[in-house]
Amino acid sequence: ETGVTQTPRHLVMGMTNKKSLKCEQHLGHNAMYWYKQSAKKPLELMFVYSLEERVENNSVPSRFSPECPNSSHLFLHLHTLQPEDSALYLCASSQEVARWGGTDTQYFGPGTRLTVL
Amino acid sequence: SQQGEEDPQALSIQEGENATMNCSYKTSINNLQWYRQNSGRGLVHLILIRSNEREKHSGRLRVTLDTSKKSSSLLITASRAADTASYFCATDARRGSTLGRLYFGRGTQLTVWP
Repeated sequence: ETGVTQTPRHLVMGMTNKKSLKCEQHLGHNAMYWYKQSAKKPLELMFVYSLEERVENNSVPSRFSPECPNSSHLFLHLHTLQPEDSALYLCASSQEVARWGGTDTQYFGPGTRLTVL
Repeated sequence: SQQGEEDPQALSIQEGENATMNCSYKTSINNLQWYRQNSGRGLVHLILIRSNEREKHSGRLRVTLDTSKKSSSLLITASRAADTASYFCATDARRGSTLGRLYFGRGTQLTVWP
């Protein structure tokens, strides 16, 4: 877990608040990801960044706004969230986004447990 | 719909027993990966098996892949209480332009009793 860190680990916010989740990877990877994990649902890919450029936005509502200032840091800015957005938000990184012959192993952070009241 | 589906959804065994979890998927893949997640934590990569491989071992883990049946299994031998976690399979089927994306299943919750 020390390769990918996430802060905060727990966050409680009201629907009118603005907050940000932070992810940092110390592995020298070029790709970073945001996932949402809700109870009894498969892991949902939200955003993919490769070398600080967003390569995928998986139909995520605009109340979630990602930012990747450099290849080691990834943020998820949150505003006017809904109670159904409560979930575990996981950040991951991999060496590359894709290459011929398969997908790189992804290394996950511990997650931020978000509760929207 | 999601690419991988694990079976069973939950598995409860005694320490020392073997645990077998299965994963089925729907489209052609390049590789399949298994991940483990302790409660409320991040996922940890366990093993990757490529589409041209049939079996792979890592410590007490044994993974098989049958591309003709589009299925994989994860066997944990001589289980320990510390193996209690959720186990996910992830595949990398290409869909349109989403090159290299991983598709996760809902997971199998394994409980190992002392």
